[in-house]
Amino acid sequence: QSALTQPASVSGSPGQSITISCTGTSSDVGSYNLVSWYQQHPGKAPKLMIYEGSKRPSGVSNRFSGSKSGNTASLTISGLQAEDEADYYCCSYAGSSTLRVFGGGTKLTVL
Amino acid sequence: EVQLVESGGGLVQPGGSLRLSCAASGFTFSSYDMHWVRQATGKGLEWVSAIGTAGDTYYPGSVKGRFTISRENAKNSLYLQMNSLRAGDTAVYYCARDASMGEYFDLWGRGTLVTVSS
Repeated sequence: QSALTQPASVSGSPGQSITISCTGTSSDVGSYNLVSWYQQHPGKAPKLMIYEGSKRPSGVSNRFSGSKSGNTASLTISGLQAEDEADYYCCSYAGSSTLRVFGGGTKLTVL
Repeated sequence: EVQLVESGGGLVQPGGSLRLSCAASGFTFSSYDMHWVRQATGKGLEWVSAIGTAGDTYYPGSVKGRFTISRENAKNSLYLQMNSLRAGDTAVYYCARDASMGEYFDLWGRGTLVTVSS
């Protein structure tokens, strides 16, 4: 199973919105509404930000939102803040044998 | 406190073996599917293995036949036995909990570093 495709980096100024894409195939992203997104600050463990494509866990800011179209999922962060600067990873359920596949990660820089 | 704490990482020679442990606390460990996820330095996350509540196991092709995941519910512990280690297995290994009603990781440990080098 190949990794999901994410842009290596994105950037935005405080207050702006950015979107990170996550492209998979009809075997993973396209077949299930089971994409999750994780935020990782340097030296820290990943943190769940979005699950099942568009749901936010308790405690995650509503500035974070998720969506999906076909084989591509997206994470949008609105009202960028300095603390949002981190690496972001998408992950999809990929069936009963492979189970999970991650994206390569996107480094978000807040200018 | 709900947490996962990994241990057992270290330096091992190519071809060697290592056993990682993950101690769970603050929740009913036996009720959750559990996973190992790794991250090489400066690289992305890679799913390594999973074990269901019934003991069913899953692996990607990159580690199948070399790694074995297991659990001991009485000790609230998850394990990863790694054999025939290669330089490419060098990474921080995270223990992660699957959400009770979904296919996503809702709890992560802090990780343990495995270095495969001569």
